[in-house]
Formats: sequence, C-alpha cells, structure tokens
Amino acid sequence: DSGVTQTPKHLITATGQRVTLRCSPRSGDLSVYWYQQSLDQGLQFLIQYYNGEERAKGNILERFSAQQFPDLHSELNLSSLELGDSALYFCASSAVGLYNEQFFGPGTRLTVL
Amino acid sequence: AQSVTQPDIHITVSEGASLELRCNYSYGATPYLFWYVQSPGQGLQLLLKYFSGDTLVQGIKGFEAEFKRSQSSFNLRKPSVHWSDAAEYFCAVGGGAQKLVFGQGTRLTINP
Repeated sequence: DSGVTQTPKHLITATGQRVTLRCSPRSGDLSVYWYQQSLDQGLQFLIQYYNGEERAKGNILERFSAQQFPDLHSELNLSSLELGDSALYFCASSAVGLYNEQFFGPGTRLTVL
Repeated sequence: AQSVTQPDIHITVSEGASLELRCNYSYGATPYLFWYVQSPGQGLQLLLKYFSGDTLVQGIKGFEAEFKRSQSSFNLRKPSVHWSDAAEYFCAVGGGAQKLVFGQGTRLTINP
C-alpha cells in the first residue's frame, strides 16, 4: 500500500459526458501528479500540482482540468469524453525535495462507451 | 527532450533463470532514474531508484540496477526469477519534484 488513494476504482460512462477522478496523496506530501496509461500512448504525464498551485503541464487535453484543494487532495476533471479517453488514470504524490520518489495510487480505470 | 527506451516489449524466462531488462535514456542533465513494476490490475510499485553515488543500486524483491553514464543505460537485473516476478516493468527518468518520463514497458513472462 503506497498510501495514495484514488476513487473510484472503475468508471464507465458514455461519450460526451463529464467525470471527476479523485486522489488523496500520502500524508504530508505536497506534490500531486496525474498520469494517463493507455495501450497506444503508454504512461504519460498529464499535470502536476504543488501545494495547491499548478507546477507543470504535460500532454493534457484542453477538455481535461485538475485542481488541488487546501487539504491537498486533487481532482482530475475530464469533459466531453471520447472513446479514446478510455484509459487507466494514475495519481502519484511526492514529498518536498529533490531526492524524493513518486508513490503511485492504484489508479482509476475509465471506460468510455 | 527527455526520453526512455525499453527495447524489449516482451521477455520470457524460466523460473530460476537470471534476468536483465534493458533501459536507455536521454536526459539533458544528471538523470534521476527509476524502475517500477506493475502487476496485472495494480498500480505502480517502485523497485529501485538512482539519484547519485554508487552506480549499482539495490532494490526490493532482490532486484538491482546499474547506471552506466557512458552508455546512457540503467538496466535492471535479478539473479534468479520467481513466478511471482511476472509483471510489467517500467523504466523512468526524471523525478526530483519533476514529472516522470516512462519507457513503453517490458512485459515479463515466467515459464515454470
């Protein structure tokens, strides 16, 4: 158990819909990262938050957005869903400092029908 | 730009045999390197990491990896694999409060 929790575990929805994925980082970790794992793209970085502020952005679509709340949990919002958005979405957290690895949650499997 | 190449998509070894998974990276500065393992339906678990110092690093579950700057490689090894090692293995570069860039992964199958 990494200490990072993600809900829900599975999500099935239809094209055009909007969903919210939730992540709670390890206790004390200020950084939260979101990654997408798909068969064709592999594991790709989406976005990073640090103590409530956006820190870095990867190949995140404009239909996707995220935020980190004062209690440090984070949410990834996916809207106008397309079939190609079906993937496993991981959240990771890390402590402050250079020599700190990222701990990954169990992921949310999103299926868009 | 940062990148990671895992040349082997799928490797099959017999239980008890030795294992080496290859990883080559491209990074502009001193790399932080990681190996993660993903079992079916599970998240990513960190096996080991390299930040600096000794180029041979030990990890969990009997794995080790060697950083070779001249070859831009960070290969993962295990002297004797167990059936429970069957999983997908990912090499990654970055970290240090930055995003991770992952390789495409190597799927390991263990023959009894």
